[in-house]
This record gives sequence, structure tokens and C-alpha cells, in this order.
Amino acid sequence: GAGVSQSPRYKVAKRGQDVALRCDPISGHVSLFWYQQALGQGPEFLTYFQNEAQLDKSGLPSDRFFAERPEGSVSTLKIQRTQQEDSAVYLCASSLSGQQGQPQHFGDGTRLSIL
Amino acid sequence: DAKTTQPTSMDCAEGRAANLPCNHSTISGNEYVYWYRQIHSQGPQYIIHGLKNNETNEMASLIITEDRKSSTLILPHATLRDTAVYYCIVRVPAGGTSYGKLTFGQGTILTVHP
Repeated sequence: GAGVSQSPRYKVAKRGQDVALRCDPISGHVSLFWYQQALGQGPEFLTYFQNEAQLDKSGLPSDRFFAERPEGSVSTLKIQRTQQEDSAVYLCASSLSGQQGQPQHFGDGTRLSIL
Repeated sequence: DAKTTQPTSMDCAEGRAANLPCNHSTISGNEYVYWYRQIHSQGPQYIIHGLKNNETNEMASLIITEDRKSSTLILPHATLRDTAVYYCIVRVPAGGTSYGKLTFGQGTILTVHP
């Protein structure tokens, strides 16, 4: 069956450029999470959506990071004026709901490299 | 958030059981234990989760001690494809300002060798 799909798989951008990363969650999943994974580290939470509502953006590292999910399905993570420290793998996860017993299912991520 | 402690690395022979320990001594009564694994260049893969009782699925078994302060993930017959980083996570309940995000630690690097 279809899992979480992320695109592009790899993105190279020059410092200062804007980038947009896309996440297609599993159909019918209400909850959507974005995580950032630096090299050699575990993923770290960025933001959370319940349907189209962004309920938690406490993990976004700066105001250059912006996420949206306008129709409660596909989500886009946008990074403006990229910096070298933004280089990481960006992971998207979805779950049927945000409840404890519902596991999150991850995509394979977008590897972002800022030159 | 309840923190977890896992060994940095472990080895296992192919075909043998792999037993991965996790300590979570500050876990609260309503917090679940989740296990994920991550193979190189892939996203984390959900394995199993539990609250109090032991759990088993097609991938693994999860044994949680009676006091819930530790747990063990068991891969009954490890294969080379089970080589990965294994994360033990105590999941904060959804509610209030928490929405069930996962807090990953460093995990255990499991290497299965022939």
C-alpha cells in the first residue's frame, strides 16, 4: 500500500535561496508531523498539523521556516534564505490521529544540502 | 519527557535472537513505549509499541517490566537486513500543548553479522 511520500528525495541549493519540500501523507491520516535529522543524530520535532490546523510549531528553529497544509492532506515545508546549518534530512510522518496508540509512519525524507 | 537510555551498539549473529534493552526509569503511567528502527538512507520504520503488557507482532516482541522502568525489544531470528539503528522512545501523551510528538535519542546501532 501507499506509504508517506516525500519529494524531492535530494535537494541542493545555494545559500540564500528558498526551498520547498513536499509531503504526501497516507490517505485519511489526520495527523502530520515534520522532523529534522542532522547527520549522525536522531530526528528532532519541527511542527505538527491536525488536518489543516498547525497546532504546534515549537520546534521550528527560526522564522525562516514555514509549514502549511492548506487542505488537510499534502503539506509543504518552506525554508527561506537558506543557511548552511539548514543542511539535514527533513522527515515527514503521518498517523491516523494524534492519540497515543496510533503509530506515526515516516517517509524516507528529503536530504537538503546547502552550498 | 521521560528519557530513555540505550546501549550505543550491539552485535548479533544471523539467525539468533537480538535482545535490545532500554531503560526509562522516569516513565509516567500513561506514557507508551515505542520502538522504531532506521536503516541507512531511509526514514524511521515503526516496529512495535506497548503500555503495560508484553506485545508481539510479525516483526518483534516487546517485553515491559512490571514496574515499567525498562523494556526489551526482541527480534527472534535476526537477519542481515535487521542491521539498523534502533530507537526506544517514550511517547508524551497527546493533550494540552502536547500532540504526541516523538523524541528520539541516539538509539542502539545493531549489527547483524553472518
